[in-house]
Amino acid sequence: DAKTTQPTSMDCAEGRAANLPCNHSTISGNEYVYWYRQIHSQGPQYIIHGLKNNETNEMASLIITEDRKSSTLILPHATLRDTAVYYCIVRVKISGNTPLVFGKGTRLSVIA
Amino acid sequence: NAGVMQNPRHLVRRRGQEARLRCSPMKGHSHVYWYRQLPEEGLKFMVYLQKENIIDESGMPKERFSAEFPKEGPSILRIQQVVRGDSAAYFCASSRGEQDYGYTFGSGTRLTVV
Repeated sequence: DAKTTQPTSMDCAEGRAANLPCNHSTISGNEYVYWYRQIHSQGPQYIIHGLKNNETNEMASLIITEDRKSSTLILPHATLRDTAVYYCIVRVKISGNTPLVFGKGTRLSVIA
Repeated sequence: NAGVMQNPRHLVRRRGQEARLRCSPMKGHSHVYWYRQLPEEGLKFMVYLQKENIIDESGMPKERFSAEFPKEGPSILRIQQVVRGDSAAYFCASSRGEQDYGYTFGSGTRLTVV
């Protein structure tokens, strides 16, 4: 079972920042937070991951609370192509490769 | 640098036939994972393989399903005697295993059982 809780769906206006929350209150000290997204009918796409520091890459920013019990994925300027299901996953990064466990995710709709 | 290649993209089988789904991992990746996604549902882990070894098959149905990743060639997910409930999208992902940032997924095979 997934160890994260996400809202079922969210809307965001095109050009605005999309802030997707994730609760992971039972996260362990050696577990990372990963974000993936799945655009309709395509394979999931890796976005970003982090342990306790905030992270930023060309796609998004990841803000992790100090107690690590929740995080927020930020898409700074959402476009229509960002419409997708976004999955927040906690996983030990180097663990003999325990498989990624996907929950139901958040369906983000970017509206023109 | 080709990504994870899955074929066929679409596969139609009659009930009782066999389905073979192929996955070629990214160059340099020796770890392969198979996931199934039923219509309007999330991705469910099926099996994790390294070259010639099954590491974790906890998500595989006990009957009719098998997977292999031979020393040479692609990974194969095999479904024998397919039933309508097997209709789904099957995704393969690969990784280097150690120090990986995450998986790279293929575009999937959509299996339709008629």
